[in-house]
Formats: sequence, C-alpha cells, structure tokens
Amino acid sequence: GIQVEQSPPDLILQEGANSTLRCNFSDSVNNLQWFHQNPWGQLINLFYIPSGTKQNGRLSATTVATERYSLLYISSSQTTDSGVYFCAATPLNTGGFKTIFGAGTRLFVKA
Amino acid sequence: AAGVIQSPRHLIKEKRETATLKCYPIPRHDTVYWYQQGPGQDPQFLISFYEKMQSDKGSIPDRFSAQQFSDYHSELNMSSLELGDSALYFCASRSEGGGNTEAFFGQGTRLTVV
Repeated sequence: GIQVEQSPPDLILQEGANSTLRCNFSDSVNNLQWFHQNPWGQLINLFYIPSGTKQNGRLSATTVATERYSLLYISSSQTTDSGVYFCAATPLNTGGFKTIFGAGTRLFVKA
Repeated sequence: AAGVIQSPRHLIKEKRETATLKCYPIPRHDTVYWYQQGPGQDPQFLISFYEKMQSDKGSIPDRFSAQQFSDYHSELNMSSLELGDSALYFCASRSEGGGNTEAFFGQGTRLTVV
C-alpha cells in the first residue's frame, strides 16, 4: 500500500520563526490533506490540496503530485501553532475509500 | 456549518465488555471512514463505507464490526474489549465517494478500557 512519510518528526521553533514541513507519498493520489491536531486531540482541516498551491493567512501549502510530495509552510509561528501536523493521502488505485496518514510532525513553538 | 458528530465523546469500559461508537456525517455526505489513534500514534484506518456498503477495510480487528445505516450514520461495534483498544476513535465523512473531495473529521470518541 501507499507509504506516507513526513519530515521532520519533531520541530522546535522560537515564536516568529518560519518553517517548512514535508510530506512524501509513494503512489499517485487523488487527494492530499493537511491537518493540525491540537492538544485536545481535535483534527483541524488546514488544506485540501491534491495539487497546486494554496494560502490561508500565515499558512500555505504546495503539492507537486507528479513528484509525489507536499509542503506546508508556517510563517511567523505563534505558540498556538504548537501541536501535531499530519498529512493524509488517498491513493488513486483504491477508489478513494482509504485515506492514509503520515506519522506527523510534532511542532512546539516557544514564546 | 454542520460538522461530523461523534458520540459519546468519552467512554470507559472494562475488559471483555462491548462498546458502540456512533458517527453522524455531515448532511449529504455519503462516505464514512473510521480511524483509531493510539497515544502518540497517527490515526490508523479501520474501515470505510460508501452508500451504506463497506467500501474498504484496513487494520480492523475481527472483534470490531461496523455498518452504515439508511440515514448514513455509522456505528462501530467493539466486543471483547482489551486494554490495547484504549484509543481515540475518529469518524470522518466526505461527499461523492472517490476521494476527490475534502474529508472532515469528528471530534473523536476517547475510549478507555480498564
């Protein structure tokens, strides 16, 4: 099955710093999403981005489907950005009914 | 906007008991997914349903079963509970099957088996 790999696994930032999180996937996908899991366990949708680039405030994401990777950019990080960031990919060859998560990037932003 | 509703939010059960988790998808969403997330782990895909039929299956134990009803809500039934079943269980829904739309997750049910 598809492999979804995220890097780095852990990241500590000073408030105000920028960062780039990466997600590599081993097979063609028809769906790629980024989520933020807050300390209470809630999975918050950040981006639905099977291809191209999107921006939402201080966050932006780019997916290059032909090269099988996606990037999440966080600019001017804030302490409230802390948590786990997951990417999740839906393989093209499963009919879209199985979405697989990467292991996540654990981000801690220091004040 | 309506979101995915899961109930209960918290559940404590003893070993060998049974548990039923419920999921109410976003209106007009026809596809439901179930995930299990252990402590410090990523969500693991268990099973999915499209138009009330099982559409795919992941690492779901034989002790677990699930179904999607005519109103599109889904239930995950867990029997002979083990300590290792303690986890956060998520339900997600999307529209139009095929994976070409955005999936939304419920707030999860935190199951503790003692």
